[in-house]
Amino acid sequence: DTAVSQTPKYLVTQMGNDKSIKCEQNLGHDTMYWYKQDSKKFLKIMFSYNNKELIINETVPNRFSPKSPDKAHLNLHINSLELGDSAVYFCASSLSDRGAFFGQGTRLTVV
Amino acid sequence: GQQVMQIPQYQHVQEGEDFTTYCNSSTTLSNIQWYKQRPGGHPVFLIQLVKSGEVKKQKRLTFQFGEAKKNSSLHITATQTTDVGTYFCAGREYGNKLVFGAGTILRVKS
Repeated sequence: DTAVSQTPKYLVTQMGNDKSIKCEQNLGHDTMYWYKQDSKKFLKIMFSYNNKELIINETVPNRFSPKSPDKAHLNLHINSLELGDSAVYFCASSLSDRGAFFGQGTRLTVV
Repeated sequence: GQQVMQIPQYQHVQEGEDFTTYCNSSTTLSNIQWYKQRPGGHPVFLIQLVKSGEVKKQKRLTFQFGEAKKNSSLHITATQTTDVGTYFCAGREYGNKLVFGAGTILRVKS
């Protein structure tokens, strides 16, 4: 009965590879997000979708591409991974502009 | 662009002491939210403040939203070891995205 679930929890991969992180929410929320948390714990928004429509697209390399097949899912695909992409990626969802519920996070390590 | 500054960066207190973290926005906010992240965990939503001058309490936690809707604070009375973690404020401009502060790391000595 997990509210926001993302997989995998850990991801170790080599530079240049392509990887995806999946996220699903069962809360009936209309808005989903991807956040990146760096080693200094700073949380930066990457993307935000409202009812499957992209509404926020921060200054993120175009190697990062979100996909929302339906309101309950928001996946993140990353091409040509670089060392600097190593971070914890959090998926979150909310009802409009109310408080966000975060997933457990995906710790990505690029070697 | 919108900036949300949060201080202090770290706070180390003795169990039983009080703790406060402050948040300031460069612009007027439509609302402000507070989150707690335990070490190794994910951010957990605590509360949202919407009205100018609003004060809300959750047990030992007191949240305030400034009159000008540009600043906020979280005060914990008589800290316990279970309070350890990073406390984030997140401010939203009208019709805009949620911007997180850098967080305040709280450590509690027992």
